[in-house]
Amino acid sequence: GNSVTQMEGPVTLSEEAFLTINCTYTATGYPSLFWYVQYPGEGLQLLLKATKADDKGSNKGFEATYRKETTSFHLEKGSVQVSDSAVYFCALTPGGYQKVTFGTGTKLQVIP
Amino acid sequence: GAVVSQHPSRVICKSGTSVKIECRSLDFQATTMFWYRQFPKQSLMLMATSNEGSKATYEQGVEKDKFLINHASLTLSTLTVTSAHPEDSSFYICSVWASGNEAFFGQGTRLTVV
Repeated sequence: GNSVTQMEGPVTLSEEAFLTINCTYTATGYPSLFWYVQYPGEGLQLLLKATKADDKGSNKGFEATYRKETTSFHLEKGSVQVSDSAVYFCALTPGGYQKVTFGTGTKLQVIP
Repeated sequence: GAVVSQHPSRVICKSGTSVKIECRSLDFQATTMFWYRQFPKQSLMLMATSNEGSKATYEQGVEKDKFLINHASLTLSTLTVTSAHPEDSSFYICSVWASGNEAFFGQGTRLTVV
């Protein structure tokens, strides 16, 4: 079956530091890949997505590139802010209208 | 874009009672909705797929008699936790697909069974 593996947290960074959260996946075919963010006490929000190999998803300074050859979708941000503190989930789906498979989530804490 | 509204956001109930959680698709009609559960410090796991006008499809290991799902209309799906126990305490979240391109999630419901 499909699976997503992401680095364990928590990750603690100082403000303006560079962020990388690793994510690799196992799936047949060409799944769509996502990063979701969950702020404290809230539900999930889509952060970015990529639907085919070599696509780069980007939003709010975050980026991730769909790497088919390494089955990876690492999340990066050049300069994190305190407001980025949240739990980040890497996820995939085989296609539209199907279930989403999530990684375990990585908690990010950014300190001033 | 699509908006999914989930209610209530938090609920505390006594052991043995039942709790109903509503998931509404506000912007469009959804023939399928998904219910996920998130255990503390763990990821979200799919519980069941709710299908409008027919029976829900449950994932392996999910008790269908305990977690009753009703998808009576194209904009509303409900999850009822029956005879709740403390181990049912969790974060429940529903999801709806919009145009096959993006899955939108509700705000989630934090259930605490005391």
